[in-house]
Amino acid sequence: DAGVTQSPTHLIKTRGQQVTLRCSPISGHKSVSWYQQVLGQGPQFIFQYYEKEERGRGNFPDRFSARQFPNYSSELNVNALLLGDSALYLCASYAAGVGDTEAFFGQGTRLTVV
Amino acid sequence: GENVEQHPSTLSVQEGDSAVIKCTYSDSASNYFPWYKQELGKRPQLIIDIRSNVGEKKDQRIAVTLNKTAKHFSLHITETQPEDSAVYFCAAHYSGAGSYQLTFGKGTKLSVIP
Repeated sequence: DAGVTQSPTHLIKTRGQQVTLRCSPISGHKSVSWYQQVLGQGPQFIFQYYEKEERGRGNFPDRFSARQFPNYSSELNVNALLLGDSALYLCASYAAGVGDTEAFFGQGTRLTVV
Repeated sequence: GENVEQHPSTLSVQEGDSAVIKCTYSDSASNYFPWYKQELGKRPQLIIDIRSNVGEKKDQRIAVTLNKTAKHFSLHITETQPEDSAVYFCAAHYSGAGSYQLTFGKGTKLSVIP
């Protein structure tokens, strides 16, 4: 059984560029959330999608956007990259059934902005 | 929104001793409280969780307690081993109506000295 997969695992971008990160949830999981983890800090919530609809948005600027596809995979886009966007971006998937609350995290995408 | 405070930020214990990490949360609507272990460069992994209708939960050497009135919850690790060394995060979450948004503490770096 495949877990949550994210791609790419690492990438380096220049300030001002745009980046797209991808996430495939566990088969059967309908909800995906994105988190940003800056070095030395806890993950911070960015977005949550459930059945292709945005269900929550954290305190991030409009440069951050996301979407969920019919197969429940998801993309996170960040425009006009800043040095401060350098972080580990984590995707978590949820079964989203009654009583299902456990988040399963992917291995993350390490983004470095130079 | 929810705010989670976690203490201490670092903790060193001798192998075999117990370790305790404490968290407080602000939103009384939060009803699910997971604990994650994150080793360097790896994804957060759920080690134990507790729901608001339970006061204590144990799993071998790990236990979590929850005081809803005081809005705090704690992780207890007994008989610590060197492989317990990692960063531990507490989190709080309101689970309902398809909402899956974890608010994390800033983490505790646990070092178990052989």
